[in-house]
Amino acid sequence: EAGVAQSPRYKIIEKRQSVAFWCNPISGHATLYWYQQILGQGPKLLIQFQNNGVVDDSQLPKDRFSAERLKGVDSTLKIQPAKLEDSAVYLCASSLGVSGLSTDTQYFGPGTRLTVL
Amino acid sequence: GDSVTQMEGPVTLSEEAFLTINCTYTATGYPSLFWYVQYPGEGLQLLLKATKADDKGSNKGFEATYRKETTSFHLEKGSVQVSDSAVYFCALSDPMDSNYQLIWGAGTKLIIKP
Repeated sequence: EAGVAQSPRYKIIEKRQSVAFWCNPISGHATLYWYQQILGQGPKLLIQFQNNGVVDDSQLPKDRFSAERLKGVDSTLKIQPAKLEDSAVYLCASSLGVSGLSTDTQYFGPGTRLTVL
Repeated sequence: GDSVTQMEGPVTLSEEAFLTINCTYTATGYPSLFWYVQYPGEGLQLLLKATKADDKGSNKGFEATYRKETTSFHLEKGSVQVSDSAVYFCALSDPMDSNYQLIWGAGTKLIIKP
């Protein structure tokens, strides 16, 4: 079974530029998550999708971050304009999303390491 | 709110030593508990999980037992290898949270010296 795919793996941009990350979840997984992981910290949830609807985006800085999940499969996370403090690893994860199941396991992609100069 | 507390790192051990990484939690409901591992430069991988009291999760020689009475889920391994060097995250998913989001500990960096 193919895992969660992410691209690019690395990205270096100047502040105020824009950047986009792509994620392809495991086939059949209804729930998709985007996390931000700053060096030395645990992951911080940015947004959670169930199929193509947003379940939770309360920690997404909406003035500069946006995300979409077209057709309930692939997802794109965009930052525009980027700030120095956005330097982090952006992780995508997916899960089956079975309703009412806290045992549902999240599977993670390799992440995209973003450096903002 | 729910929370996960892990022992601070880094933890430095010699090869073949016994490993314990402590994890305790607070939760509204009866959570599922997870250990994830992150090798250098890689994403997070599920190491093991347990979904009810006294369950023992195990994988790759690692074990953790869900202790409801002490609200703990300590990670153990009898004999560590250099290849176990990584950051280990404890996490929970609370069924009282309708979104079943993971609550993460801060991570514990493990360094194994040959």
